[in-house]
Amino acid sequence: EAGVVQSPRYKIIEKKQPVAFWCNPISGHNTLYWYLQNLGQGPELLIRYENEEAVDDSQLPKDRFSAERLKGVDSTLKIQPAELGDSAVYLCASSLSQGPYNEQFFGPGTRLTVL
Amino acid sequence: QQQVKQSPQSLIVQKGGISIINCAYENTAFDYFPWYQQFPGKGPALLIAIRPDVSEKKEGRFTISFNKSAKQFSLHIMDSQPGDSATYFCAASWAGGTSYGKLTFGQGTILTVHP
Repeated sequence: EAGVVQSPRYKIIEKKQPVAFWCNPISGHNTLYWYLQNLGQGPELLIRYENEEAVDDSQLPKDRFSAERLKGVDSTLKIQPAELGDSAVYLCASSLSQGPYNEQFFGPGTRLTVL
Repeated sequence: QQQVKQSPQSLIVQKGGISIINCAYENTAFDYFPWYQQFPGKGPALLIAIRPDVSEKKEGRFTISFNKSAKQFSLHIMDSQPGDSATYFCAASWAGGTSYGKLTFGQGTILTVHP
């Protein structure tokens, strides 16, 4: 079974430029998560989708971040414009459903460097 | 109140020794406590998890001990091996309100097992 796929794996951009990350969850997983992981820290939830509906986006900085999950499968996370402080690893995860006891499977992440 | 505090920040153990990582939480509504293992360049992967209705759960060399009254839980790795060298994150979640299923992670512990 293929795991969570993310691309690109690495991205280097100048500040104020836009950037987008793509995630393909495990087949059949209805719930999709985007996490932010700063260096030396644990992941922090940005947004959670149940199918195509964003059920928790309270931690998403909506002035510059946006996300979508069209057709309830793949998802894209966008930053526009990027700031120096956005340098981090962006992780995508998926689970069968949004139940609290369902295992979340993580992708390898996209490491973003903003210069 | 949503924080999960993890210690130590780093840990060095000799091969065959016991590794112990501790976590403490404040939110008494938390009812699911997983531990994740993360290797460099990879996303976190579920290692073992516990619900508060039991005080201990063992899977192979990995054991979670849970103390509900102290609001603490710990991961014990018996017979530690160099292949266990990774970053370990504790986490917690609860089935309430908009936080339903949301994982709150600790800060992580970098474990190094010397051969």
